[in-house]
Amino acid sequence: QQQVKQSPQSLIVQKGGISIINCAYENTAFDYFPWYQQFPGKGPALLIAIRPDVSEKKEGRFTISFNKSAKQFSLHIMDSQPGDSATYFCAANGRGYSTLTFGKGTMLLVSP
Amino acid sequence: NAGVTQTPKFRVLKTGQSMTLLCAQDMNHEYMYWYRQDPGMGLRLIHYSVGEGTTAKGEVPDGYNVSRLKKQNFLLGLESAAPSQTSVYFCASRSPSRTAGRPQHFGDGTRLSIL
Repeated sequence: QQQVKQSPQSLIVQKGGISIINCAYENTAFDYFPWYQQFPGKGPALLIAIRPDVSEKKEGRFTISFNKSAKQFSLHIMDSQPGDSATYFCAANGRGYSTLTFGKGTMLLVSP
Repeated sequence: NAGVTQTPKFRVLKTGQSMTLLCAQDMNHEYMYWYRQDPGMGLRLIHYSVGEGTTAKGEVPDGYNVSRLKKQNFLLGLESAAPSQTSVYFCASRSPSRTAGRPQHFGDGTRLSIL
């Protein structure tokens, strides 16, 4: 499996703003792209995931946008809240792979 | 429903000591994983198992050994701890799937310091 590159490494957004985290992958065999959210002192937890047959998936204030031709996907957090302050990891997986390939993470701080 | 439980939560070791980290899951998952998390490095896979009695190397396996004698337990061993192994260790599990898409469930980590 190849890398998943995630940016930015850290992000500060004002309350009510939009947080955007980007990821890029190389392996065209990947067909599942989850995002994990991790609060301090806790393990990561699945936030939202997308498959490449759709270009966008929305769950509440969280949206994944997927660009298959560019091999890029991004997480948008609308109306960001202080409670969204956490580390976010993108990841990728494909049929036949028993492991996830994770990005290096983005530390998000939403200022009140 | 406990999910994934890691024991211990914190530990301080001296260089050269050995220890075993225990991961237990009650979701009847086939697949289990050990990761380490270091600042700026993300989650790096140490070893994983796709079923009872099986183990495989991940990205950073050196200095670690694992065993999966029971389906619900996955043990991570450090035979001779080194300061470079100071980290937060996470265990995860998931069900297998013919198509990728089953989420990994993580424990809350073991914080290990090696002096």
